[in-house]
Amino acid sequence: AQSVTQPDIHITVSEGASLELRCNYSYGATPYLFWYVQSPGQGLQLLLKYFSGDTLVQGIKGFEAEFKRSQSSFNLRKPSVHWSDAAEYFCAVALTYNTDKLIFGTGTRLQVFP
Amino acid sequence: DAGVIQSPRHEVTEMGQEVTLRCKPISGHDYLFWYRQTMMRGLELLIYFNNNVPIDDSGMPEDRFSAKMPNASFSTLKIQPSEPRDSAVYFCASSSGKGRGGNEQFFGPGTRLTVL
Repeated sequence: AQSVTQPDIHITVSEGASLELRCNYSYGATPYLFWYVQSPGQGLQLLLKYFSGDTLVQGIKGFEAEFKRSQSSFNLRKPSVHWSDAAEYFCAVALTYNTDKLIFGTGTRLQVFP
Repeated sequence: DAGVIQSPRHEVTEMGQEVTLRCKPISGHDYLFWYRQTMMRGLELLIYFNNNVPIDDSGMPEDRFSAKMPNASFSTLKIQPSEPRDSAVYFCASSSGKGRGGNEQFFGPGTRLTVL
């Protein structure tokens, strides 16, 4: 069955440090890929998405993600984290043969220390 | 556009009472999704609609839960009778379903339900 794995439940970084959040998917073809962010008490907001083309995708708030087909990964990165980035981050995929639904990972909670 | 609108934002009720959560999707979006989020189970898809028709309700926990979409601009999720284990944040999301970007979902702010 198709699945999305976010191996890190909780990550702590210092403000100004770089960040990489991992996401792996299990699917026979290249899915559509998304990263969402959920700030405390808020709904989910789309950070970026990948459909095709350039495997390095730029998003909002200074985030980027790189699709690596060989590793079935879509890791989220930010060169310098701000305290306001503390939130929960969800990776999601949409299957190309059934694009109605998104399959979400379990999320990674990011904590930022000053 | 105001985005996806949910009401109420917070609901506190007693066990056994009926609870109705409401959602207004983004105008022009053909898909509407109901999710539940808890610490234990994370984000779960309960049901989704396409053009007001329920497509997949396999995530609905049990018969106490029901969802309707009487028109393109309104949906309800009802729990009757409510139980303490139903306490969670319930999100509504919508998507256009059109084009390659059509499956991007836009989420509402959620309804925090507490059942005492």
